[in-house]
Amino acid sequence: GAVVSQHPSRVICKSGTSVKIECRSLDFQATTMFWYRQFPKQSLMLMATSNEGSKATYEQGVEKDKFLINHASLTLSTLTVTSAHPEDSSFYICSARGREGHSTDTQYFGPGTRLTVL
Amino acid sequence: AQKVTQAQTEISVVEKEDVTLDCVYETRDTTYYLFWYKQPPSGELVFLIRRNSFDEQNEISGRYSWNFQKSTSSFNFTITASQVVDSAVYFCALSEAYNQGGKLIFGQGTELSVKP
Repeated sequence: GAVVSQHPSRVICKSGTSVKIECRSLDFQATTMFWYRQFPKQSLMLMATSNEGSKATYEQGVEKDKFLINHASLTLSTLTVTSAHPEDSSFYICSARGREGHSTDTQYFGPGTRLTVL
Repeated sequence: AQKVTQAQTEISVVEKEDVTLDCVYETRDTTYYLFWYKQPPSGELVFLIRRNSFDEQNEISGRYSWNFQKSTSSFNFTITASQVVDSAVYFCALSEAYNQGGKLIFGQGTELSVKP
């Protein structure tokens, strides 16, 4: 149980285009999902917290107009990188918080999406 | 402030050796949770363990064991008889019950390389 999927796993796009990444909890409902960014050889950096049916909460320094997050259902959150530029190239990982409904439930992670912007 | 420190950036061992990954945390909360995740080369973070601040019992799961000591604010992870498949980056993380909305605060990670 507690499987989280991400799609696509890898995407290459041209500068200026927008890219949408999907995060799904496959066998549980997740009222809260998180989006992280990870640079090579570094730890995960939290970008935003996504709550079903409400606006995402962005971390300081993360541009909300650049990284659009939508959490339309209890099993799906999407991250759209708008007008992508080479500096947006990174590994993006989502997580879904576990089923007990508590803020400290275990977060289960998706397999990640490697974005390369040419 | 909350902080997780994994002082070992890289560790290299030979197969069948035991290895301990250190994790030291800082928090003002009395109720918090500690986690270990494994990130193999494929990139996906795999959940290994979750421990709450009121449970200091050590835990063993196969070749994995965890030593939680509140007195030293440490939550160390030991792999016994390491195998090549254990090669990965391991992250220790902290989540506070009442602050930060349950966000995970990650350490910098320890890259473990197990050589045949």
